[in-house]
Amino acid sequence: NAGVTQTPKFRVLKTGQSMTLLCAQDMNHEYMYWYRQDPGMGLRLIHYSVGEGTTAKGEVPDGYNVSRLKKQNFLLGLESAAPSQTSVYFCASSPLRNTGELFFGEGSRLTVL
Amino acid sequence: KQEVTQIPAALSVPEGENLVLNCSFTDSAIYNLQWFRQDPGKGLTSLLLIQSSQREQTSGRLNASLDKSSGRSTLYIAASQPGDSATYLCAVTGAGGSQGNLIFGKGTKLSVKP
Repeated sequence: NAGVTQTPKFRVLKTGQSMTLLCAQDMNHEYMYWYRQDPGMGLRLIHYSVGEGTTAKGEVPDGYNVSRLKKQNFLLGLESAAPSQTSVYFCASSPLRNTGELFFGEGSRLTVL
Repeated sequence: KQEVTQIPAALSVPEGENLVLNCSFTDSAIYNLQWFRQDPGKGLTSLLLIQSSQREQTSGRLNASLDKSSGRSTLYIAASQPGDSATYLCAVTGAGGSQGNLIFGKGTKLSVKP
């Protein structure tokens, strides 16, 4: 079972460049999330989606945009990358909220020079 | 604002020991609490999910308890093994069940020595 798949797994960008991280889940989950994980800061929620066509801001949304055009995909975009966005990004999904269990992808390591 | 704290930040034990990891949260109005495991360079794997109405959950050698009134949860690992070495994180979902406000602790890094 694929579960939650993130692409790419590694990427190096120069300041000002743009890129998109793709998250795909094959579990028919309604909820999807993007987190970033930084040393000493733990996991912080960037954006999330409660269903196809919907998105909402999390704790640290500035500098990021997201889209959920298809239920199985959740895209995270950086329009103009900054060194402060160097991080490991995790996508997660969950079924309807009454179970609450999260399923995570393996992460995407982004370095902005 | 909900804050989740995990103590200790790191723990090293010999193989075979029973151990307890602690998680505390400042706002007792939670929907559920989850414990995760993260291996180096990997994503998080959900270990146990405790709904706010429950007191504990068990899976194999793992037992998680929840005391909402005191804002505490513990993860008990019995007969630890080197394969248990990983970082363990707890996370709480705020009351109302909004999936947008899952708050994570910073984790406890566990090392089990053979």
